[in-house]
Amino acid sequence: DQQVKQNSPSLSVQEGRISILNCDYTNSMFDYFLWYKKYPAEGPTFLISISSIKDKNEDGRFTVFLNKSAKHLSLHIVPSQPGDSAVYFCAATPMEYGNKLVFGAGTILRVKS
Amino acid sequence: DAGVTQSPTHLIKTRGQQVTLRCSPKSGHDTVSWYQQALGQGPQFIFQYYEEEERQRGNFPDRFSGHQFPNYSSELNVNALLLGDSALYLCASSFWEQETQYFGPGTRLLVL
Repeated sequence: DQQVKQNSPSLSVQEGRISILNCDYTNSMFDYFLWYKKYPAEGPTFLISISSIKDKNEDGRFTVFLNKSAKHLSLHIVPSQPGDSAVYFCAATPMEYGNKLVFGAGTILRVKS
Repeated sequence: DAGVTQSPTHLIKTRGQQVTLRCSPKSGHDTVSWYQQALGQGPQFIFQYYEEEERQRGNFPDRFSGHQFPNYSSELNVNALLLGDSALYLCASSFWEQETQYFGPGTRLLVL
């Protein structure tokens, strides 16, 4: 039972354009969401997060949007750069002390120059 | 400020053997979580340690066990290795009261 789903295995975008990565979840107990980026042979790197009391959070070129009623979140990268090419994971957890992260299967982003 | 470190980086074992993986958390962090990442999948939660006790456990058999030391570092032990245990093992550290976890580079385990 996949509680966090990333339905697009891969995405290809031209340099300078917007990249939009999507994530859906089913567990209504999730109220904190994170995006991680992973390069080959490295561990996941934290990018940005959002709690359920907000619908948007920005950090530089990265913006995460949360639609609680649709149980959907997305990560926007503007403008996309070749160095953004990596696997992006969406993760979710309830906002309680010491909770595990539940991850999606990831989306491979390729930014073409 | 050192991030999360893990050792070894790579490991090859044969079926039935036992393995110990090590993790040092990011400076100041008191909570360590372990994840298994199979090829083409997202990380799967194994367990979490805080104050030297296992606080949460995912859907993994008892062959997987762990320990946290007073300096917050942690070990993951896997007994009676199976071919299916071949994966990237990730350690993540955090503050107990915060949700964001920071990952180490992982240990790549191959079971032959």
